[in-house]
Amino acid sequence: QVQLVQSGAEVKKPGASVKVSCKASGYTFTANFIHWVRQAPGQGLEWMGWINPNTGDTNYEQRFQGRVTMTRDPSITTAYMDLSSLRSDDAAAYYCARGGGFALLYAFDIWGQGTLVTVSS
Amino acid sequence: EIVLTQSPGTLSLSPGERATLSCRASQSVSSNYLAWYQQKPGQAPRLLIYGASSRATGIPDRFSGSGSGTDFTLTISRLEPEDFAVYYCQQYGNSRGTFGQGTKVEIK
Repeated sequence: QVQLVQSGAEVKKPGASVKVSCKASGYTFTANFIHWVRQAPGQGLEWMGWINPNTGDTNYEQRFQGRVTMTRDPSITTAYMDLSSLRSDDAAAYYCARGGGFALLYAFDIWGQGTLVTVSS
Repeated sequence: EIVLTQSPGTLSLSPGERATLSCRASQSVSSNYLAWYQQKPGQAPRLLIYGASSRATGIPDRFSGSGSGTDFTLTISRLEPEDFAVYYCQQYGNSRGTFGQGTKVEIK
């Protein structure tokens, strides 16, 4: 079945970087954008940006510009989100989600299970 | 940047009642690129509605979406026990996807 499976929980120190992976299966990886969304404890959803797995093109939310890097490896149908210079307020669950494309008017139809990132000294 | 404002923040209802959730955009949402998601504790969000009014695959018909431009509504016609959750609206315009702050539907 169509699914996105993310890497496991991470504990990082302030100032460090974290890299979260998102492995796609059950569909053509290069056919749909992958978005990244995060959710701080008890808070709402925050969109971070997308990557086009076909071309590698990216588009980041302005507030993450300079700290986030989204990449992909089509040979293993995996997308990555790298966030640097971590602060305490970066502690959150990070989700990857598949963009549904024009057929779904760009809604996010498949979500990974989430990766919890803890930032603590 | 389009800002989405959801109301109310919390809706306290009983099973079997009707739930009406609102999502208002600060600017018109392009081509009805408006979606609704349900999220339960400890789970990832689930797509309910796309294009403002189309149900996603496998979503029961008690869920319906309506609206256009800047005002959108998610209606749950008769609440089932599994419907008590947080609901988010989201718009996708100019290649950016922003979410509302969420409405929690809780058991009264």
